[in-house]
Amino acid sequence: GENVEQHPSTLSVQEGDSAVIKCTYSDSASNYFPWYKQELGKGPQLIIDIRSNVGEKKDQRIAVTLNKTAKHFSLHITETQPEDSAVYFCAATPNQAGTALIFGKGTTLSVSS
Amino acid sequence: DGGITQSPKYLFRKEGQNVTLSCEQNLNHDAMYWYRQDPGQGLRLIYYSQIVNDFQKGDIAEGYSVSREKKESFPLTVTSAQKNPTAFYLCASSPRDRGKDTQYFGPGTRLTVL
Repeated sequence: GENVEQHPSTLSVQEGDSAVIKCTYSDSASNYFPWYKQELGKGPQLIIDIRSNVGEKKDQRIAVTLNKTAKHFSLHITETQPEDSAVYFCAATPNQAGTALIFGKGTTLSVSS
Repeated sequence: DGGITQSPKYLFRKEGQNVTLSCEQNLNHDAMYWYRQDPGQGLRLIYYSQIVNDFQKGDIAEGYSVSREKKESFPLTVTSAQKNPTAFYLCASSPRDRGKDTQYFGPGTRLTVL
């Protein structure tokens, strides 16, 4: 089955810097890769996702890149702000209808002002 | 106001008791999921259901049971057979249309066994 590894487990940056979180996956059949942001005591919120037919997707300060050959994908946050502080999870799935996501263990991002 | 609701937000249970966590969605999604989250861990799948009256075990189904009698509802029962039930439980739902099956999460229920 699918296995997703996420690095780093913690990341501290200064406000305005960029942050990069990386994930690798094992199942070459996986073709859908969402990223979630989770604030303390709340449910995860989808922030961006990418499907295997594209290599990069951007939404304002957030971007995701996908390298299918190497089986890794990354989240890039530019111009970080204190409100970006949260736990970020990557996930992967073969994306057959109704298939559950396989999650990485999360990255705790701290943005200090 | 569309979304996924979970209740209660906090739940306390005595050892040996069964307890049921509620999950309701009004997004007209076919698929629903239950995940368990422990500190420092990712989300682990307990059960999922792709359609009414059908559900499948996830990676950690032992000690849990579910039902899917209505499209909107997917309750999770934590039984006394679950050895370490204290955790944060998250429900999610998604459409089943290919390319439009993003999963959306509820706010979670924190279960503590006393």
